[in-house]
Amino acid sequence: NAGVTQTPKFQVLKTGQSMTLQCAQDMNHNSMYWYRQDPGMGLRLIYYSASEGTTDKGEVPNGYNVSRLNKREFSLRLESAAPSQTSVYFCASSKSGGRGDNEQFFGPGTRLTVL
Amino acid sequence: GENVEQHPSTLSVQEGDSAVIKCTYSDSASNYFPWYKQELGKRPQLIIDIRSNVGEKKDQRIAVTLNKTAKHFSLHITETQPEDSAVYFCAASKANFGNEKLTFGTGTRLTIIP
Repeated sequence: NAGVTQTPKFQVLKTGQSMTLQCAQDMNHNSMYWYRQDPGMGLRLIYYSASEGTTDKGEVPNGYNVSRLNKREFSLRLESAAPSQTSVYFCASSKSGGRGDNEQFFGPGTRLTVL
Repeated sequence: GENVEQHPSTLSVQEGDSAVIKCTYSDSASNYFPWYKQELGKRPQLIIDIRSNVGEKKDQRIAVTLNKTAKHFSLHITETQPEDSAVYFCAASKANFGNEKLTFGTGTRLTIIP
């Protein structure tokens, strides 16, 4: 099993450009999450998807959109990138489903720089 | 919403000594408290977790304690080794179906001095 995979690993954008970060998991997990990690601020939830077909906002959703394409894939889109979105982005997944399987498994991260 | 505070932000201990990291949370409905370890340039990985129906959990050299009344929980690492050097994050959530968002603390950079 590859676990949680993310593409790309690195990306440099100019202000105003758009891009989509891709995430996929092969663990048959129900829930998927997008976080951003900034120095001194820990991990902050951007959006999450409790199950296929549902998405909801997290702590810092402004400037982002998400799509839960199917059970495996959860993408994050920046429509008009801003320098404040320079960060490391992590995707995560968990089995969830109310069974107490709460452990979140993280992908390797995408380091995004917006100039 | 939930707010998690974590202290200290940095911690240096001699190899072989113990390390303690403390977190407080604000939402009394939170019932799941994981700890993640993140090595430099790597992804966070779960090292131990505890649920609100348990006061303490231990796994070899690491242990977590929970005080629901005071709304705080702590990570204890004994007999520290160089490979314990990393950033540690605590988190809290209300682990119910469809509402399992984690709120993370801001992290503790632990350095083990040989």
